[in-house]
Amino acid sequence: NAGVTQTPKFQVLKTGQSMTLQCAQDMNHNSMYWYRQDPGMGLRLIYYSASEGTTDKGEVPNGYNVSRLNKREFSLRLESAAPSQTSVYFCASSSQQGLGTKNIQYFGAGTRLSVL
Amino acid sequence: AQSVSQHNHHVILSEAASLELGCNYSYGGTVNLFWYVQYPGQHLQLLLKYFSGDPLVKGIKGFEAEFIKSKFSFNLRKPSVQWSDTAEYFCAVNAGAGNMLTFGGGTRLMVKP
Repeated sequence: NAGVTQTPKFQVLKTGQSMTLQCAQDMNHNSMYWYRQDPGMGLRLIYYSASEGTTDKGEVPNGYNVSRLNKREFSLRLESAAPSQTSVYFCASSSQQGLGTKNIQYFGAGTRLSVL
Repeated sequence: AQSVSQHNHHVILSEAASLELGCNYSYGGTVNLFWYVQYPGQHLQLLLKYFSGDPLVKGIKGFEAEFIKSKFSFNLRKPSVQWSDTAEYFCAVNAGAGNMLTFGGGTRLMVKP
């Protein structure tokens, strides 16, 4: 079982460059999420998608865009990378639609991004 | 806005020692509570969860957590840790429908063999 797959695993960017982080899940889940993980701050929600065709901002959306390409795939784009976006990015999915009370989220392995 | 606090940022224990990691949240209503674990180089995995019922919940690998509503706490415990428990542990809270899952800052546990 692949679960949630993220690519790439590592990336180094220069300030101002753009890139897209890819995420795919094979669990037929409705909801997908993008988080960033910074030391001492836990995981913070960037964007989420409650269902195919919908996306909403999370806690820290500035500087990012997302696309829910289909039910399986949810990508995160950095249009003009900044050093403050150096972080580990995690994609997650859950079966329940939206921000439900009993959402168990399943996580990918993460993308470690450095912006110089 | 809900918030989650994990008081211990780094914990170092010897094998066979007992473990208790603190987690407190700030929300007065109904909550759903989770502990996730992240082993070195791996993704987050669900350790255990509390939705309702018995406030003492058991998870995988001998972990348990107790929900104490009056203290807004959901502490994680294990009677005897092993070297393989070395990981980062995250408490997370979901305060009702339509709310985000909010994570604590994490506790990095190192178990010395």
